[in-house]
Amino acid sequence: NAGVTQTPKFRILKIGQSMTLQCAQDMNHNYMYWYRQDPGMGLKLIYYSVGAGITDKGEVPNGYNVSRSTTEDFPLRLELAAPSQTSVYFCASSYSSRDRETQYFGPGTRLLVL
Amino acid sequence: GQQVMQIPQYQHVQEGEDFTTYCNSSTTLSNIQWYKQRPGGHPVFLIQLVKSGEVKKQKRLTFQFGEAKKNSSLHITATQTTDVGTYFCAGPRTSYDKVIFGPGTSLSVIP
Repeated sequence: NAGVTQTPKFRILKIGQSMTLQCAQDMNHNYMYWYRQDPGMGLKLIYYSVGAGITDKGEVPNGYNVSRSTTEDFPLRLELAAPSQTSVYFCASSYSSRDRETQYFGPGTRLLVL
Repeated sequence: GQQVMQIPQYQHVQEGEDFTTYCNSSTTLSNIQWYKQRPGGHPVFLIQLVKSGEVKKQKRLTFQFGEAKKNSSLHITATQTTDVGTYFCAGPRTSYDKVIFGPGTSLSVIP
């Protein structure tokens, strides 16, 4: 299993540009998450999904959109990039059963908005 | 809303010294998880504690879940340079809630 994969690894955007961060998992996990991590800080939940077709907002959803058309994929969309969105973005997935919510993280996407 | 706090924020230790980080939640947790993130890497799951008062060991690492299920600790005995990184605790209020991460404790080990 590849686990959780993310593309791209690194991207530079200009203010106002848009992009999609890709995330895929091959562990048949129902739950998927997007986090951002600013330098020296913890993880903030942007959006999450408990299954295909179901998404919900986390702590910091503004400026982002997600979709979950399949169990495997959970892309994150930035429509109008702003410098405040410069961060490292981690995708994660987990089992859905009770008391088994260990999250498996992808390698991250480093985004710089100039 | 639920908040998870960790202390200290940073810790510098001499190699061979012990290290402890504490995690406190504003609400009772269904379970507590600990993750380690190496510099430049991604968080990696270490362990999950579910029962009140539970203690688990992984070699030099000892994890404890408080009796009230609102706090937890991670203790490392005789730190090594391979222990360098940020340690995050995380937990949901119930098994069906999303997991909330603490801000992490960054550990530096001086050889």
